[in-house]
Amino acid sequence: DIQMTQSPSTLSASVGDRVTITCRASQSTSSWLAWYQQKPGKAPKLLIYRASSLESGVPSRFSGSGSGTEFTLTISSLQPDDFAIYYCQQYNNYPQTFGQGTKVEIK
Amino acid sequence: QVQLQESGPGLVKPSETLSLTCTVSGYSISSGYFWGWIRQPPGKGLEWIGSIYRSESTYYNPSLKSRVTISVDTSKNHFSLNLSSVTAADTAVYYCARGRVTTVTLYYFDYWGQGTLVTVSP
Repeated sequence: DIQMTQSPSTLSASVGDRVTITCRASQSTSSWLAWYQQKPGKAPKLLIYRASSLESGVPSRFSGSGSGTEFTLTISSLQPDDFAIYYCQQYNNYPQTFGQGTKVEIK
Repeated sequence: QVQLQESGPGLVKPSETLSLTCTVSGYSISSGYFWGWIRQPPGKGLEWIGSIYRSESTYYNPSLKSRVTISVDTSKNHFSLNLSSVTAADTAVYYCARGRVTTVTLYYFDYWGQGTLVTVSP
């Protein structure tokens, strides 16, 4: 299985901050990577697919980049609604695997 | 608007079979897309269980493959998960989701159900 490792595990930030989350794969996933946002008690919500494509309806302050084994999710200006856990997911190889999550909390 | 809703028992005894159904509205399950199950143990991360495509092809996580069956009932527009011989380690929130195809077999999940907690306990 491809191991997905996210860093940091927890991130403390303030409203308006620029936030970057990194996801590293144990082997290349090309650009077949997605990012999800999960709030307490809710299902994950798709933010980014194919490493950098913004899902319809997702605010443009979210962006993704990377290919191969290293990917980033950036929130350009953190908003109160963005405090959540973020997961990356590779879907290039079976089985699909997720990162362990990055919790973005209020500083 | 595509909506998915999980249903099934919230409590299952050890060694028994966990059975869940995901009812889809707003889209015909036979028209395409993958349909999958993902689980999340309390306080932990996400694990893909398996997926089905057009009632024909099933794909399972090797770690669960010997215990998992996913099937589709197109007449009811729903798909189901059976997980046999459960233990406490199978306690989790179970989500169903739609897989949007990017290439023939590559997909990510664009619509999710709200999730249902299944506890394995005597």
